[in-house]
Amino acid sequence: EVQLVESGGGLVKPGGSLRLSCAASGFAFGSFSMNWVRQAPGKGLEWVSTITSRSTYIYYADSVKGRFTISRDNPKNSLFLHMNSLRAEDTAVYYCARTAGVGQGMDVWGQGTTVTVSS
Amino acid sequence: QSVLTQPPSASGTPGQRVSISCSGSSSNIGSNPVNWYQHLPGTAPKLLIYSNNQRSSGVPDRFSGAKSGASASLAISGLQSEDEADYYCATWADSLNGWVFGGGTKLTVL
Repeated sequence: EVQLVESGGGLVKPGGSLRLSCAASGFAFGSFSMNWVRQAPGKGLEWVSTITSRSTYIYYADSVKGRFTISRDNPKNSLFLHMNSLRAEDTAVYYCARTAGVGQGMDVWGQGTTVTVSS
Repeated sequence: QSVLTQPPSASGTPGQRVSISCSGSSSNIGSNPVNWYQHLPGTAPKLLIYSNNQRSSGVPDRFSGAKSGASASLAISGLQSEDEADYYCATWADSLNGWVFGGGTKLTVL
């Protein structure tokens, strides 16, 4: 079964750090670009970051650039999001998602992990 | 404010056809394929339509997508109660070097 499972969310104080993980199974992880997408309470989906299959290209939303770092470990079928200098507005459910192919959208999503930034 | 503009809400009765619009610009929808997602609160978003008008695996043919210029639309025919959800359009934005989502449309089945 094709599956993505996020972990690492929790409660953190403003200015703190957190590392999210996404474990992939059931497909050739190293062949796909991967993404992080978040949804703040009462808000819509917001793209956070994308990393290509071999980490050649990495992209970030302006709202997280310089604070978040995306990375992956293909042999371990894992995706990561290192989050520093966290702000209240980073509070959200964070989803990892697979890009199906060029122009094909994100076809596999995890259930999400919740990050709450509050003092 | 989202780069892609969607109506915040839409509604219809069972069996009806509803359409949800998504407006962008030449640097996003105008130059890249559009994808549509269905999202129920507390669950993982689901890819419905990719590459403007291609249904994702397992998606019934009641769902269809179209694109013209810098705008796109999602149509749902034969509306069912289970279609009640939030719907998002998305595409790659060349000027931002990233994905952009619409603000989402909450579909209510009356």
